[in-house]
Amino acid sequence: AQSVTQLGSHVSVSEGALVLLRCNYSSSVPPYLFWYVQYPNQGLQLLLKYTSAATLVKGINGFEAEFKKSETSFHLTKPSAHMSDAAEYFCAVSGNTPLVFGKGTRLSVIA
Amino acid sequence: NAGVMQNPRHLVRRRGQEARLRCSPMKGHSHVYWYRQLPEEGLKFMVYLQKENIIDESGMPKERFSAEFPKEGPSILRIQQVVRGDSAAYFCASSRQGAYMNTEAFFGQGTRLTVV
Repeated sequence: AQSVTQLGSHVSVSEGALVLLRCNYSSSVPPYLFWYVQYPNQGLQLLLKYTSAATLVKGINGFEAEFKKSETSFHLTKPSAHMSDAAEYFCAVSGNTPLVFGKGTRLSVIA
Repeated sequence: NAGVMQNPRHLVRRRGQEARLRCSPMKGHSHVYWYRQLPEEGLKFMVYLQKENIIDESGMPKERFSAEFPKEGPSILRIQQVVRGDSAAYFCASSRQGAYMNTEAFFGQGTRLTVV
């Protein structure tokens, strides 16, 4: 079975500050890990994915995530938050099941 | 190069009516997945289909819900005799390869079902 836990349902940062969204996974097989972003009343857009080729994954809009097997984590970071980053972010895992999503973290960016 | 197309975007049904949600996958994609999103919840997997086949329906409620992906035309998620608890956003995704591989799934904008 696979599962994802996102720590913090709501994160608030100042514009220009570091963004850190936490994701821990559980998987009985080598996982494939993804981060998606959802803007209000929109579908999900892929930010980045872990393919097992490199533990540090760079995505769109300046986001990156690091796969840490020993910590079963795949935290999402961005060095400097922008107002346009305000959205809901979902971590997801697959491997021997269709995508399994966490409950999401809503990111607010304060001017 | 159209993405995953879902319609309608918004659907209002009275209790007891049928809801029919449509999903056209991206060109070249033969794998379709349906997810349901409730307020304050993540997306919950419902069903995975390939053309004319249901591959995995482990997330589908046992009654009133059904899905199909015919040889021609869009995938359909059908909810019979809707109840207020069915109110949610329903998302469709498609991929070129199968669900259990390292592949990107592209999502539609969703259908927001409201049962009154």
